[in-house]
Amino acid sequence: EPEVTQTPSHQVTQMGQEVILRCVPISNHLYFYWYRQILGQKVEFLVSFYNNEISEKSEIFDDQFSVERPDGSNFTLKIRSTKLEDSAMYFCASSGWGATNYGYTFGSGTRLTVV
Amino acid sequence: QKEVEQDPGPLSVPEGAIVSLNCTYSNSAFQYFMWYRQYSRKGPELLMYTYSSGNKEDGRFTAQVDKSSKYISLFIRDSQPSDSATYLCAMTLNQGGKLIFGQGTELSVKP
Repeated sequence: EPEVTQTPSHQVTQMGQEVILRCVPISNHLYFYWYRQILGQKVEFLVSFYNNEISEKSEIFDDQFSVERPDGSNFTLKIRSTKLEDSAMYFCASSGWGATNYGYTFGSGTRLTVV
Repeated sequence: QKEVEQDPGPLSVPEGAIVSLNCTYSNSAFQYFMWYRQYSRKGPELLMYTYSSGNKEDGRFTAQVDKSSKYISLFIRDSQPSDSATYLCAMTLNQGGKLIFGQGTELSVKP
């Protein structure tokens, strides 16, 4: 079964450093997303990406965050200057809406720890 | 009022029991409803997907959507210890739109 792949699985970074989280969405999906989940809290939407541009973003997704699809397969989330409160699980997701391909598939996540 | 409300539990049931999990929501424009299962520190795994109102069955799982009451349910028949996980409801306005999640209900099925 197709899956969304995320790397790394765990990243520790110092406050103020830049981090890039990487994702390979399902190949024939057209919509891509980043979500985050702070420990013990609900999964929160960050940003959606369609047709090579941001289609929607939440108030969490401020100027410190950016997304990119540098080639035909990768989808990245960059946090420019990490804060302690950025510590969370970050999930990449993609969605497809064909006859046999629908719904949102999530990756296993990257656990980001900011120290 | 929260957009999507879900009792966080924990919910503990004996093996073989029928489990009922529920969510309520406030935005009547939601059209697509999903249930995910999440194990600790893992990504959400899609269990059931429903468009608009009605029932959908897949093996031991049944999803129900009642748009008039803004209420969705997931039933698990013959529950197994391997069903122990957190169950998340999620919904969206349109295909490709952002998912809004509930808090998640922690379920424990005891042998």
